[in-house]
Amino acid sequence: QVQLVQSGAEVKKPGSSVKVSCKASGGTFSSYTISWVRQAPGQGLEWMGRIIPILGIANYAQKFQGRVTITADKSTSTAYMELSSLRSEDTAVYYCARSISITMIFLDYWGQGTLVTVSS
Amino acid sequence: DIQLTQSPSFLSASVGDRVTITCRASQGISSYLAWYQQKPGKAPKLLIYAASTLQSGVPSRFSGSGSGTEFTLTISSLQPEDFATYYCQQLNSYSCTFGQGTKLEIK
Repeated sequence: QVQLVQSGAEVKKPGSSVKVSCKASGGTFSSYTISWVRQAPGQGLEWMGRIIPILGIANYAQKFQGRVTITADKSTSTAYMELSSLRSEDTAVYYCARSISITMIFLDYWGQGTLVTVSS
Repeated sequence: DIQLTQSPSFLSASVGDRVTITCRASQGISSYLAWYQQKPGKAPKLLIYAASTLQSGVPSRFSGSGSGTEFTLTISSLQPEDFATYYCQQLNSYSCTFGQGTKLEIK
């Protein structure tokens, strides 16, 4: 079955960057898109952006434009999310999730989440 | 950006109750709406997509309806495992947004 396995928890200093990975198995990586969604402690879900691995094209939520980069390596079925200029408000659990199709960002499979803590 | 407003934000109900959660969009989104369930410490789970299509494996007591700007998620008979937080999500062009969530608690 489809599984998305994310990299482990990170602790970062303000102003630095973090890169989280998401390895997919059990499906055809290039037939879907991978989104990144974050959730601050006690808060709701926030979509950050997505990548279409077969095209290598990413698009981002306006809030994160210029600060987030989403990439994918088709050879290893792995997606990455890099967030730069970290601040304390970026402390959150970051999830990757697969869409049900290339055109519909309804998210049917999710990774386990990666806690990123930003603290001096 | 299209905003989604869920109501209520908190809901207290009993096992066996029928409950309805509403999601209103700030502009028309056709049927590009999904519902997710999230339990503490877990990733969200897709319940309904395209406003009314039940995701595979989701119990039939969950149903969704609506189009345009107003949508509802209905749970016909609450089970103990249904107490969780529910989010709606809309798709717009190449992005999406989530509602603020509805926490469903045991009365």
